[in-house]
Amino acid sequence: GQQVMQIPQYQHVQEGEDFTTYCNSSTTLSNIQWYKQRPGGHPVFLIQLVKSGEVKKQKRLTFQFGEAKKNSSLHITATQTTDVGTYFCAANFGNEKLTFGTGTRLTIIP
Amino acid sequence: DSGVTQTPKHLITATGQRVTLRCSPRSGDLSVYWYQQSLDQGLQFLIQYYNGEERAKGNILERFSAQQFPDLHSELNLSSLELGDSALYFCASSVSEGAWGNIQYFGAGTRLSVL
Repeated sequence: GQQVMQIPQYQHVQEGEDFTTYCNSSTTLSNIQWYKQRPGGHPVFLIQLVKSGEVKKQKRLTFQFGEAKKNSSLHITATQTTDVGTYFCAANFGNEKLTFGTGTRLTIIP
Repeated sequence: DSGVTQTPKHLITATGQRVTLRCSPRSGDLSVYWYQQSLDQGLQFLIQYYNGEERAKGNILERFSAQQFPDLHSELNLSSLELGDSALYFCASSVSEGAWGNIQYFGAGTRLSVL
């Protein structure tokens, strides 16, 4: 079936360091969304990427969609304790169903 | 607050039993999705309803069923429960039925513990 691979599964960083999570698909995506789930919370929508090579920024977060629309990344600059949580990508393969990645759990060492 | 309401928040039951999880979508949203999240796992899509009709099915077991009522609230029924069914069950809602440009708003989840 259609799957999206997300790496790494876990990431521990010192506060102030950067963080990146990647999502990869073997097939072209229609669009991709990113969600954040705080510990004990529920997933919350962050952003959607649609165009090839698209880059969007939200304060310290930078989202990219690959030129081939097969991969995407989320980069956080200078992490803060509020960034703790699990980040999920959610891919649309064109069948109008979102397929969530396995998530990257980010922990911050103060 | 996402506007999606799930009840109950916690559910403890025994193997072999049957439970019903309830979800009220955001006002105006016609699509409801159910997901299962086991410990340290990702979100496993179970099923989607749109305006009362089943739209998409994921890895939903035959022991599980769902429906969406005329008032758009949805129920997920889990029967013949097994220990492995213990998980967090999320409901999400969206305005339309497709994934294109369609943001999903998640409820707080129901934590099911099967003992």
